[in-house]
Amino acid sequence: QVQLQESGPGLVKPSETLSLTCAVSGYSISSGYYWGWIRQPPGKGLEWIGSIYHSGSTYYNPSLKSRVTISVDTSKNQFSLKLSSVTAADTAVYYCATAAPHSSGYYPSYFDYWGQGTLVTVSS
Amino acid sequence: AIRMTQSPSSLSASTGDRVTITCRASQGISSYLAWYQQKPGKAPKLLIYAASTLQSGVPSRFSGSGSGTDFTLTISCLQSEDFATYYCQQYYSYPPGLTFGGGTKVEIK
Repeated sequence: QVQLQESGPGLVKPSETLSLTCAVSGYSISSGYYWGWIRQPPGKGLEWIGSIYHSGSTYYNPSLKSRVTISVDTSKNQFSLKLSSVTAADTAVYYCATAAPHSSGYYPSYFDYWGQGTLVTVSS
Repeated sequence: AIRMTQSPSSLSASTGDRVTITCRASQGISSYLAWYQQKPGKAPKLLIYAASTLQSGVPSRFSGSGSGTDFTLTISCLQSEDFATYYCQQYYSYPPGLTFGGGTKVEIK
């Protein structure tokens, strides 16, 4: 069974870069699947941030694309999120998750395994 | 972006009730729709994908239907553990990418 665990600072200053890592166990990132990030502001709904394939191909939410970088480290079996120029609006619980391959193309679909989530607060 | 609109945003129901939640897409998405259940302080849990396929281990009282722009999630006989917030998510194509509905909170009447 795939298990995911997010880690990173819980507090980030405005205008700085938010960095999170998701450690994967029970499955090799190199074996396939799409690996992604979803966030949820306190009391609000879910927002897809982006996903990456083990080959390094990336897929980003157009509304965040200019500020997001997702990378994968197959040697450590983990993947990472960087979100630049953060503001208070980026305060949220950040989840990492696996996405099954789309049935008709080379991009992510639905999310079947999730990490527990980590709260990141943007504040000075 | 493809917008997903859920209704109602919240509902009150009793154990044993039949509950239906609706999700509408701003354009046709075929059957590329998933449903999730989220309880407070927990990560979402996948219930249904491809609009009507039940994820392994999910009770059969959950069912999904629809295609194109209109979809429904039905809980046939509400149990105490089903009180939660439910989200739909479309995965029609990239670009533009994946989007979630705003959520439906199912509360105890």
